[in-house]
Amino acid sequence: GAGVSQSPSNKVTEKGKDVELRCDPISGHTALYWYRQSLGQGLEFLIYFQGNSAPDKSGLPSDRFSAERTGGSVSTLTIQRTQQEDSAVYLCASSLRGGPGTLTETQYFGPGTRLLVL
Amino acid sequence: GDSVTQMEGPVTLSEEAFLTINCTYTATGYPSLFWYVQYPGEGLQLLLKATKADDKGSNKGFEATYRKETTSFHLEKGSVQVSDSAVYFCALSDTGGSYIPTFGRGTSLIVHP
Repeated sequence: GAGVSQSPSNKVTEKGKDVELRCDPISGHTALYWYRQSLGQGLEFLIYFQGNSAPDKSGLPSDRFSAERTGGSVSTLTIQRTQQEDSAVYLCASSLRGGPGTLTETQYFGPGTRLLVL
Repeated sequence: GDSVTQMEGPVTLSEEAFLTINCTYTATGYPSLFWYVQYPGEGLQLLLKATKADDKGSNKGFEATYRKETTSFHLEKGSVQVSDSAVYFCALSDTGGSYIPTFGRGTSLIVHP
């Protein structure tokens, strides 16, 4: 079946505007993850969903960042009042089950959304 | 907490050269170890993994051995191709910490014809 898709692929916005990034995981995958990849940095974990609930939001950098997942499928990451330091590639990944006991589970990544805040 | 350290890139090689990308880790429990690869314009995809000490993961000519005594998981390939040019990420999932994977910074590999 189809892999993980993300939209838009690129987003340019002005400082102070709000942006929404969308992720469509692989059908049937319970776990969904958002990461941020800044230039020269590794993947920074943002938030993890198990179904529609988010048991781990520890990586969200500030209260300007929020995410939701509906129907156990599509997820939206929202950044309010964007700042220049929010410029990065935002990656979404899904896995079949996620959570404790799934250490060897493979994550499947989307191509990312490249966000540029001017 | 858990962490993954990779050698800094870019690594530049000629075609058919031998490749090593170093990866070391710190973990509080008994981690599983992964290498992911990101080709230009694409998302990360799993390259190989190992789930316990002395396990060797292999795929597409790449290998990595889980070395608990040196806390390492170095990636190797005997003869690289131009098509191997990509960014390689080392990662772990740990029983002792969050089950959410921890990733290294990535190492860019450039292979010239």
